[in-house]
Amino acid sequence: GAVVSQHPSRVICKSGTSVKIECRSLDFQATTMFWYRQFPKKSLMLMATSNEGSKATYEQGVEKDKFLINHASLTLSTLTVTSAHPEDSSFYICSASGQTRAKNIQYFGAGTRLSVL
Amino acid sequence: GESVGLHLPTLSVQEGDNSIINCAYSNSASDYFIWYKQESGKGPQFIIDIRSNMDKRQGQRVTVLLNKTVKHLSLQIAATQPGDSAVYFCAEAYNQGGKLIFGQGTELSVKP
Repeated sequence: GAVVSQHPSRVICKSGTSVKIECRSLDFQATTMFWYRQFPKKSLMLMATSNEGSKATYEQGVEKDKFLINHASLTLSTLTVTSAHPEDSSFYICSASGQTRAKNIQYFGAGTRLSVL
Repeated sequence: GESVGLHLPTLSVQEGDNSIINCAYSNSASDYFIWYKQESGKGPQFIIDIRSNMDKRQGQRVTVLLNKTVKHLSLQIAATQPGDSAVYFCAEAYNQGGKLIFGQGTELSVKP
């Protein structure tokens, strides 16, 4: 399958700081990237969909000013959690899909465990 | 409303037996379905997909069955191995490449 790299795998930060998570498609061009949030023992909740070069589309209830998404190239999308608070602690996962090698299947990164103190 | 659910939240099988994980979906407009495997602390891993114009698709040791009449999806794993222990999610979409709606997941535990 296609390779999606997510970095960092784990981050611990103080309340009020901002955290940036990177998602890279390593062997295909990702026309669309998705960001999910997952709580323990729960399913994946889609936060937003981003297409290269355009603004992200956020799901209902997701604060766009708090979760900033940038998809500046066909291989990189970033999620910035601004002014993080303990309730933002979660497992964040990105996925990417493209129209060539990945055949529009969503391939996932390994996830980022965010802990806000 | 739109939802994808699973009949069994946990499944325990003996090594070597076949496993069947079930999924129900409610949106008849969905035309693309995927099964993912997620190991603890990792991202979901693609297993197999199927489009709505098919009712069966086989991969290596896995088979996905789609019954559109009753809106049911299943994943069959042949000769289950300890390495198959994970949480399995089904997901549906209106089209390949579109937004996925995930089910709640089934935790598969393989006993040696």
